[in-house]
Amino acid sequence: GDSVTQMEGPVTLSEEAFLTINCTYTATGYPSLFWYVQYPGEGLQLLLKATKADDKGSNKGFEATYRKETTSFHLEKGSVQVSDSAVYFCALSDRQGAQKLVFGQGTRLTINP
Amino acid sequence: DAGVTQSPTHLIKTRGQQVTLRCSPKSGHDTVSWYQQALGQGPQFIFQYYEEEERQRGNFPDRFSGHQFPNYSSELNVNALLLGDSALYLCASSYGRGANEKLFFGSGTQLSVL
Repeated sequence: GDSVTQMEGPVTLSEEAFLTINCTYTATGYPSLFWYVQYPGEGLQLLLKATKADDKGSNKGFEATYRKETTSFHLEKGSVQVSDSAVYFCALSDRQGAQKLVFGQGTRLTINP
Repeated sequence: DAGVTQSPTHLIKTRGQQVTLRCSPKSGHDTVSWYQQALGQGPQFIFQYYEEEERQRGNFPDRFSGHQFPNYSSELNVNALLLGDSALYLCASSYGRGANEKLFFGSGTQLSVL
């Protein structure tokens, strides 16, 4: 079945450092890909998405490009802030299974001032 | 505008008991999905309700059942609780069932089974 594998955490960086969180997927067909963020005590929030190969999703300085050839959707940010500390989840949605998201295990990110 | 609200926020039960969790979708939304998030894991899809019917189901046993009411709110019921059912249960809502409709998640109900 479909699956998502994320870079293992936790990840600890200093403020203004460059961030990469790796995500690869296995799926039949052409899934949509998502990054969700979970701040402490809050629900998941959609950070960005891409619906077809070579699409780039971006939001709040974060970017991820849908790479079909490498089945990847790595999350990047050029300069992280303390407020970016959270758990990040990569996910996919099979077009046939509308909204049936398959999530990776999550990567906890801590940014130190 | 209230977002997705879930109740209760925390719940403690013992093995073998039954539990009901509740979800009110964001205003204007008609589709509700439920996810189980075990500690340190990503959420897993349980099922989705639309027009008061279960439309999709994940790999969960029949002990997990649900309901959607005419006002679009939803309940998740779990019978014969096991220790392994301890998790954060998340509700998500959207308008419509399209693959790219934006999902809004509630803060979840933390269920502990002793």
